[in-house]
Amino acid sequence: KAGVTQTPRYLIKTRGQQVTLSCSPISGHRSVSWYQQTPGQGLQFLFEYFSETQRNKGNFPGRFSGRQFSNSRSEMNVSTLELGDSALYLCASSRGTSGGAGSYNEQFFGPGTRLTVL
Amino acid sequence: LAKTTQPISMDSYEGQEVNITCSHNNIATNDYITWYQQFPSQGPRFIIQGYKTKVTNEVASLFIPADRKSSTLSLPRVSLSDTAVYYCLVGDMGSSASKIIFGSGTRLSIRP
Repeated sequence: KAGVTQTPRYLIKTRGQQVTLSCSPISGHRSVSWYQQTPGQGLQFLFEYFSETQRNKGNFPGRFSGRQFSNSRSEMNVSTLELGDSALYLCASSRGTSGGAGSYNEQFFGPGTRLTVL
Repeated sequence: LAKTTQPISMDSYEGQEVNITCSHNNIATNDYITWYQQFPSQGPRFIIQGYKTKVTNEVASLFIPADRKSSTLSLPRVSLSDTAVYYCLVGDMGSSASKIIFGSGTRLSIRP
């Protein structure tokens, strides 16, 4: 089956602008999570959506927001871009529900969107 | 959430067996140990996951001692294509992605 897709793959913006990134999960997956990856901070959890509801949120300012649609596709928005927002933004999908003791809710990652803020 | 410690980098040669050890002294009873692999400009990819003793799949083995305070990822007969960053994750990953914390990872370089 098709993997996680993210669009666009590359994006260049200037400070103060806003940006919207899109993620299409694997068919049947109800959970979509977003991560920011930078050389200095590594891979950091932004938020997770499950059945159109934000289930968890990482330690990021309110400029970072997201949403999930009824078909499980998700978008992430960053407003008032700062230079430090330059990063690889990764989306991951999973079943989102525990399969019981001993199960693992594997995260399948997309290729990411490389955002550069000038 | 258990913190993990792993070497920042490792070097090896093609055909060798590579063992990457991860320390997780504060692992909880419900926590699983999971390893991901990441190539440049790609998302991480699941390699292997285990709870105790030994787990083996087609690409790697995972060794977990009885106290579960550490684990070792073993890559048999590495090739150049195994050059990547390897992340050790510890947590109760039954449902929510927020319980997944990626550390700094180990940058593995394989030489011809």
